[in-house]
Amino acid sequence: ETGVTQTPRHLVMGMTNKKSLKCEQHLGHNAMYWYKQSAKKPLELMFVYSLEERVENNSVPSRFSPECPNSSHLFLHLHTLQPEDSALYLCASSPGLDGFYEQYFGPGTRLTVT
Amino acid sequence: TQLLEQSPQFLSIQEGENLTVYCNSSSVFSSLQWYRQEPGEGPVLLVTVVTGGEVKKLKRLTFQFGDARKDSSLHITAAQPGDTGLYLCAGHNTDKLIFGTGTRLQVFP
Repeated sequence: ETGVTQTPRHLVMGMTNKKSLKCEQHLGHNAMYWYKQSAKKPLELMFVYSLEERVENNSVPSRFSPECPNSSHLFLHLHTLQPEDSALYLCASSPGLDGFYEQYFGPGTRLTVT
Repeated sequence: TQLLEQSPQFLSIQEGENLTVYCNSSSVFSSLQWYRQEPGEGPVLLVTVVTGGEVKKLKRLTFQFGDARKDSSLHITAAQPGDTGLYLCAGHNTDKLIFGTGTRLQVFP
């Protein structure tokens, strides 16, 4: 138990569906992250939030839309996804943005796009 | 683009064997972290190394940061099935944490 929870753990969606992934951290951290992990690529950073403000968006397609309503919650809204978007989506948090800090990861949401 | 290459990509060994995983880059990092990810879970931090040449031990795991702070190694002595997982190095530079390509380890009883 890392203090970071993600729901759902598994999600199957069609290309025309709209769904959302949820992440919650109980650690009092100020920074939250979305990563994509697929079989053939290293862990890819998608979005970074610090104190609810987006500070990084790594050229992620607009079909992925993040939302951070407060420092404890992070959402990833999904719409019109492609089969190549199937992957494990990991949420993480850290005390601050400095890369020296340990990142605490949730268990991930395994997404399959059909 | 900063890149951290890990080798080997896959490793399957018998319980009791020793192994070394390497993490290499052409970039200098302020510090380097090692994470282990077990099936169905997110990565969990094992250690952070900060000083060039630093060696840290965590039970049967020995971590070394290269003198030039561009590379690192993880050595496991007498591997056990519980060591099975994906090992990720991550280099810290300014405000970014760059993750390596990963080494998937399988230890058979």
